[in-house]
Amino acid sequence: AQTVTQSQPEMSVQEAETVTLSCTYDTSENNYYLFWYKQPPSRQMILVIRQEAYKQQNATENRFSVNFQKAAKSFSLKISDSQLGDTAMYFCAFMNRGAGSYQLTFGKGTKLSVIP
Amino acid sequence: NAGVTQTPKFQVLKTGQSMTLQCAQDMNHNSMYWYRQDPGMGLRLIYYSASEGTTDKGEVPNGYNVSRLNKREFSLRLESAAPSQTSVYFCASSEFGYEQYFGPGTRLTVT
Repeated sequence: AQTVTQSQPEMSVQEAETVTLSCTYDTSENNYYLFWYKQPPSRQMILVIRQEAYKQQNATENRFSVNFQKAAKSFSLKISDSQLGDTAMYFCAFMNRGAGSYQLTFGKGTKLSVIP
Repeated sequence: NAGVTQTPKFQVLKTGQSMTLQCAQDMNHNSMYWYRQDPGMGLRLIYYSASEGTTDKGEVPNGYNVSRLNKREFSLRLESAAPSQTSVYFCASSEFGYEQYFGPGTRLTVT
């Protein structure tokens, strides 16, 4: 079974600054995807970014980028130029693409507060 | 294009009552999922349907049943609600092996 660990229950960052959220995972699989989801106070789960394990290049989406270290099983999320709207819970998630279910295993989340 | 919709948004039940949570998606996805979210626990998979006509248990299936009514709809039933089932329930859908898209959630309280 896979496990996902987010070691930072809460973080804060000043508006316009950069913050990095940590995530580590444990798996013996080779074919997998990793995701970061954002959950603002509205409760909606919003996909932020996806990383395919077979790709060496780190994924980026506008102000969001990841640092994917496959050997270390680490998948951190960097948010640049933080905005007030980035205030949310952030969840790291793992998907084993070798299994037929394609289910997600989530970490417990990091609560990010962006301070004006 | 509404994406994934869930009804109801909020529900209060008494212990022992039953109810069904409804989920529908309009993205023509094959796979659908039910998760629950508890404080400090992240999201945990209850049941999933990899494709129309199939359903399988996830990490926390006890006390729940599901029905994949057709390709669009996937319902979650609580036969005899217990206080331990107080949670926020999310439905999600995806195409095989790609990112999942979530509904807005249902906040369920069992007293």
